[in-house]
Amino acid sequence: EAQVTQNPRYLITVTGKKLTVTCSQNMNHEYMSWYRQDPGLGLRQIYYSMNVEATDKGDVPEGYKVSRKEKRNFPLILESPSPNQTSLYFCASSFSQPNSPLHFGNGTRLTVT
Amino acid sequence: AQSVAQPEDQVNVAEGNPLTVKCTYSVSGNPYLFWYVQYPNRGLQFLLKYITGDNLVKGSYGFEAEFNKSQTSFHLKKPSALVSDSALYFCAVRETYSSASKIIFGSGTRLSIRP
Repeated sequence: EAQVTQNPRYLITVTGKKLTVTCSQNMNHEYMSWYRQDPGLGLRQIYYSMNVEATDKGDVPEGYKVSRKEKRNFPLILESPSPNQTSLYFCASSFSQPNSPLHFGNGTRLTVT
Repeated sequence: AQSVAQPEDQVNVAEGNPLTVKCTYSVSGNPYLFWYVQYPNRGLQFLLKYITGDNLVKGSYGFEAEFNKSQTSFHLKKPSALVSDSALYFCAVRETYSSASKIIFGSGTRLSIRP
């Protein structure tokens, strides 16, 4: 089944404790992206990647890191999480053509205390 | 700068009635336009897209959307609402010039269908 898999689905952590949210897709998509969803703000892009070893900042990259060492994986790293990073996070992927729709994972709800 | 506006936070419709979820956009050039739906505890799912051609686009679950270039709108419609259509709906726009062009999402509209 074609899908984008995120793990974990739920994560509670404390300020400053490094964490990684994994994202993997099995559709051979070139484009991958991370979003955060906050009430009233819709989805805001954190980072995106056009292909392996090609990543770029989105609208809200501060406090986040990503890597794209393999085409299928695009982990999101929070080196020192803070409470303002409490949010719902989504990974998405698509083919590189701009008219290709995004395929989303089921989300990771992160709480930083 | 690109932007997408969904002017209604919530739309309430009785089952069986037609529904419209509004979306307007601002982008230079010709955009690609998308609608996505989000059910509780799930990621967004693609509903339909406008690329070019016919201004009325048909998508999944009986939804359709009307592209209006002069009004820069892309409203989502369905002739007869179902209770199962209750969800959060997002409009998105992407410029067509490059695969690196940014995708901008609206703030979302919660659709509530009452029996």
